[in-house]
Amino acid sequence: DAGITQSPRHKVTETGTPVTLRCHQTENHRYMYWYRQDPGHGLRLIHYSYGVKDTDKGEVSDGYSVSRSKTEDFLLTLESATSSQTSVYFCAISLNVGGAANEQFFGPGTRLTVL
Amino acid sequence: AQTVTQSQPEMSVQEAETVTLSCTYDTSESDYYLFWYKQPPSRQMILVIRQEAYKQQNATENRFSVNFQKAAKSFSLKISDSQLGDAAMYFCAYNNAGNMLTFGGGTRLMVKP
Repeated sequence: DAGITQSPRHKVTETGTPVTLRCHQTENHRYMYWYRQDPGHGLRLIHYSYGVKDTDKGEVSDGYSVSRSKTEDFLLTLESATSSQTSVYFCAISLNVGGAANEQFFGPGTRLTVL
Repeated sequence: AQTVTQSQPEMSVQEAETVTLSCTYDTSESDYYLFWYKQPPSRQMILVIRQEAYKQQNATENRFSVNFQKAAKSFSLKISDSQLGDAAMYFCAYNNAGNMLTFGGGTRLMVKP
């Protein structure tokens, strides 16, 4: 258990409203990631962070922003939610980057529905 | 950009039998890592096995093993003595020793009692 929690676990919101998802880790790992999972696409990287206040875009970053003000928390914000952002969102942490295996460990996921 | 392809959307296997899930990838890198993740109905992503591209020996974890063919860019997962608890979505993933995991579309494995 890599000590990753996500909140909320489920959320239903309306188009045009702002939404923030939170990822919290207890392992003090430097690297954190946000993915979205949609049928037929596996998981796709939205944004990632390589340290406090250090973030970068992933494959599907349009419409999303992130912030990391402290090591343990990585926030994903949808400024104005759209129906195309209905998805399951996963947070992950990396134990070794540039090291042995670069494996990532995942949180339990957040199911977001935008009506 | 790297791509990962899982050509089998669904597979089924009889309990106690062996099944192989296929994965191919496209890359111009020589140093990278490959992974298989399992996602049961609980939605939790569980790392099953990993393979370093520089290692010729295929990785093995108990009933799970891989057949890594670097020249063919193929990375299949073999599950021996299949159990009901193996029923899940399985995702192949590629990492180029950087920060991005690229996933395949997944294979749904059903295990018949």
